[in-house]
Amino acid sequence: AQKITQTQPGMFVQEKEAVTLDCTYDTSDPSYGLFWYKQPSSGEMIFLIYQGSYDQQNATEGRYSLNFQKARKSANLVISASQLGDSAMYFCAMREGDTGRRALTFGSGTRLQVQP
Amino acid sequence: GAVVSQHPSWVICKSGTSVKIECRSLDFQATTMFWYRQFPKQSLMLMATSNEGSKATYEQGVEKDKFLINHASLTLSTLTVTSAHPEDSSFYICSVTPPTGVGNSPLHFGNGTRLTVT
Repeated sequence: AQKITQTQPGMFVQEKEAVTLDCTYDTSDPSYGLFWYKQPSSGEMIFLIYQGSYDQQNATEGRYSLNFQKARKSANLVISASQLGDSAMYFCAMREGDTGRRALTFGSGTRLQVQP
Repeated sequence: GAVVSQHPSWVICKSGTSVKIECRSLDFQATTMFWYRQFPKQSLMLMATSNEGSKATYEQGVEKDKFLINHASLTLSTLTVTSAHPEDSSFYICSVTPPTGVGNSPLHFGNGTRLTVT
């Protein structure tokens, strides 16, 4: 069964607008972490933001925020004031448990294209 | 600066030959490293977990005799694709996690290696 689901293969957004990238997850572990990464065409994986299962508040990092709805098992990424440089693939990922020595499981990704 | 150095960034080899990819942790000693594979327009799939001083743990469906992993030091893990075939052409990317990392520690990725087998 898919543990991380990203239902939007591609998204378009106008420059300076906000965009939401969807992510739902499935786990029975009460302790888990959710991560978002950006992958430009160069292939590098850039860490954007993290949300822990016990965090009471939604995570924010600059223009990135995470809309965490635990009951719905969703962790959507919100990018505000989109820039042309935001065009890339975006991956949602999860780590189960509370140790950092486990791998991440990735969703299928969403390709975001920012239009001028 | 970069936390992980991966080399080479791209390689073209002939079918039947072997290719070695290196992954170095630059900022900390990494007892655990992860190797992922990414086919075009697809997600990252975990291949194996590399453990310093012990055998790697491979994911289901990944041939351990074909994808040899050596984690001989706390800063270096290597992935050798043996007897490469065109279907092994892919983007291989390694990642490291700090040894004292807790659940909120992100994985730090290398820049990846694009392998093309002709």
